[in-house]
Amino acid sequence: DAGVIQSPRHEVTEMGQEVTLRCKPISGHDYLFWYRQTMMRGLELLIYFNNNVPIDDSGMPEDRFSAKMPNASFSTLKIQPSEPRDSAVYFCASSLSASNEQFFGPGTRLTVL
Amino acid sequence: GENVEQHPSTLSVQEGDSAVIKCTYSDSASNYFPWYKQELGKRPQLIIDIRSNVGEKKDQRIAVTLNKTAKHFSLHITETQPEDSAVYFCAASWGGGADGLTFGKGTHLIIQP
Repeated sequence: DAGVIQSPRHEVTEMGQEVTLRCKPISGHDYLFWYRQTMMRGLELLIYFNNNVPIDDSGMPEDRFSAKMPNASFSTLKIQPSEPRDSAVYFCASSLSASNEQFFGPGTRLTVL
Repeated sequence: GENVEQHPSTLSVQEGDSAVIKCTYSDSASNYFPWYKQELGKRPQLIIDIRSNVGEKKDQRIAVTLNKTAKHFSLHITETQPEDSAVYFCAASWGGGADGLTFGKGTHLIIQP
């Protein structure tokens, strides 16, 4: 298996622009997680899905952030409008409910100028 | 919600010596405690985990201990090697891992030659 796939790997955008991050979980995994990593705040859970349904979005910082999972093999995290403080590495992870290890993708490094 | 404290933030040890990283958690309902290793610019990768029905788990040079009463758990690395240099994160979860992880702030482990 190719593991969790994220795109793009790097994104540089200007304040106010819309940003869309993409994730393909490991095939067969029924949980998908979005995390954000910054020096100041460390690794934070933003939202997670079970069987494509959002279960807990309490970590989503503001209404500017939204996430969707239209099918079992694809999820998006959108920021609109983006702000410089959104600059971070965004990780997607997936897990199989029967095991529990969360496998992380390579991350998307977002820079908002 | 859960809160995970991790100490120390930086740990420097001589090659061949042991390293110990400690974490405390706040939610007594937490029952799954993974440890992740993250090398510079890479994704977090699980190195070992422990569940609340077990007090200790070992995998070659790595061991984790859990004290449910005191709500703390520790990572022990023996006979450290240069490739052990990385940032280590502890985490806690109440859903057995099939929910979002709350991470500690990380420990930068430096192995001195």
